[in-house]
Amino acid sequence: NAGVTQTPKFQVLKTGQSMTLQCAQDMNHEYMSWYRQDPGMGLRLIHYSVGAGITDQGEVPNGYNVSRSTTEDFPLRLLSAAPSQTSVYFCASSTPPGELFFGEGSRLTVL
Amino acid sequence: AQSVTQLGSHVSVSEGALVLLRCNYSSSVPPYLFWYVQYPNQGLQLLLKYTTGATLVKGINGFEAEFKKSETSFHLTKPSAHMSDAAEYFCAVSDRAGGYNKLIFGAGTRLAVHP
Repeated sequence: NAGVTQTPKFQVLKTGQSMTLQCAQDMNHEYMSWYRQDPGMGLRLIHYSVGAGITDQGEVPNGYNVSRSTTEDFPLRLLSAAPSQTSVYFCASSTPPGELFFGEGSRLTVL
Repeated sequence: AQSVTQLGSHVSVSEGALVLLRCNYSSSVPPYLFWYVQYPNQGLQLLLKYTTGATLVKGINGFEAEFKKSETSFHLTKPSAHMSDAAEYFCAVSDRAGGYNKLIFGAGTRLAVHP
């Protein structure tokens, strides 16, 4: 099993550019989520989804967009990148209650 | 709203010594609690979790944690540290009211193990 796969692993953007971080899972999990990890701040929830067609905001949703058209995929879109969005992004899927399976992360730098 | 506080952003122990990583939470409803570990350049993986039942929870790699409701704590321990335990550890609480898969993480504690 591949588990949770994130692409790309590394990305450099210029301020104002847009991009999509891809996330796919092959475990048939209903719940998926995106976190960002910044030094000294742990992981903060950006958006999550409890199933296909259902998404909701987490702690830090501004500047990000998500959709969930299939159970497997949960892409994260940066609409207009800002230096404050420089971070490591983790996608996770989970089985209840709360056992998250994480991808290996996508490191984003915004110049 | 739920929150998690991890006391000590860095902890250093000698190989063979006791490991104690502290976690306190706040929650308006009975919590589900978790410890995750992150090795360098990797994602997080589950060490152990408390949902209901026995308050002393055993996890992988010899770690355990005890849920103490009166102290709102869920400290992580290991009797004897190994060099391979060096990593960052995160405590998390689930938001049951918002769906128990929605986890709120602490800021993390980086554990160093020296010979």
